[in-house]
Amino acid sequence: QKEVEQNSGPLSVPEGAIASLNCTYSDRGSQSFFWYRQYSGKSPELIMSIYSNGDKEDGRFTAQLNKASQYVSLLIRDSQPSDSATYLCAVNMNTGNQFYFGTGTSLTVIP
Amino acid sequence: KAGVTQTPRYLIKTRGQQVTLSCSPISGHRSVSWYQQTPGQGLQFLFEYFSETQRNKGNFPGRFSGRQFSNSRSEMNVSTLELGDSALYLCASSLDRANNEQFFGPGTRLTVL
Repeated sequence: QKEVEQNSGPLSVPEGAIASLNCTYSDRGSQSFFWYRQYSGKSPELIMSIYSNGDKEDGRFTAQLNKASQYVSLLIRDSQPSDSATYLCAVNMNTGNQFYFGTGTSLTVIP
Repeated sequence: KAGVTQTPRYLIKTRGQQVTLSCSPISGHRSVSWYQQTPGQGLQFLFEYFSETQRNKGNFPGRFSGRQFSNSRSEMNVSTLELGDSALYLCASSLDRANNEQFFGPGTRLTVL
């Protein structure tokens, strides 16, 4: 079992719709969770971090964390073509900075 | 603030050679982590340095090594290159070791022929 799992997609949504990206992780003791966006040929860019159960909103992005279910998600409201990218879920499973990454979900927003 | 910088951006080497990659973290960041990204395996953790000490190490062979200097700049070295080492090598910096956000540099694209 991989430490962090994501649906690889591809996920396609029409412009203006809500895109929902999901991630599960194996270590129940994990404390910090991150979403990165990676455009083709570029390095990952941090979108959101979340540490506590519940929702965290930042503009059009909402991260949701459920530690009991070992599940973290990212919602993108009013999706734009510029949101088309691969979204990576990362989990820090110890007290250091050893991040485990999912393989990413490819999102395409159709104009 | 300037972001994370990595040099060189591109490298072409042949099997058996060795290579050194460099990373300069964001000013004030003391933790530097290295990752290997390949299409098949995704992003995999290599190691993390904090205050010149390696604190975490991923599951890579001993051919992969690194170090951190007193100014927090870091280098990683790969010896006896293999074809499978072709990848994007990413460096990420964060303020300290504990659950902090990591910010990535542009990466070094290594091609082994």
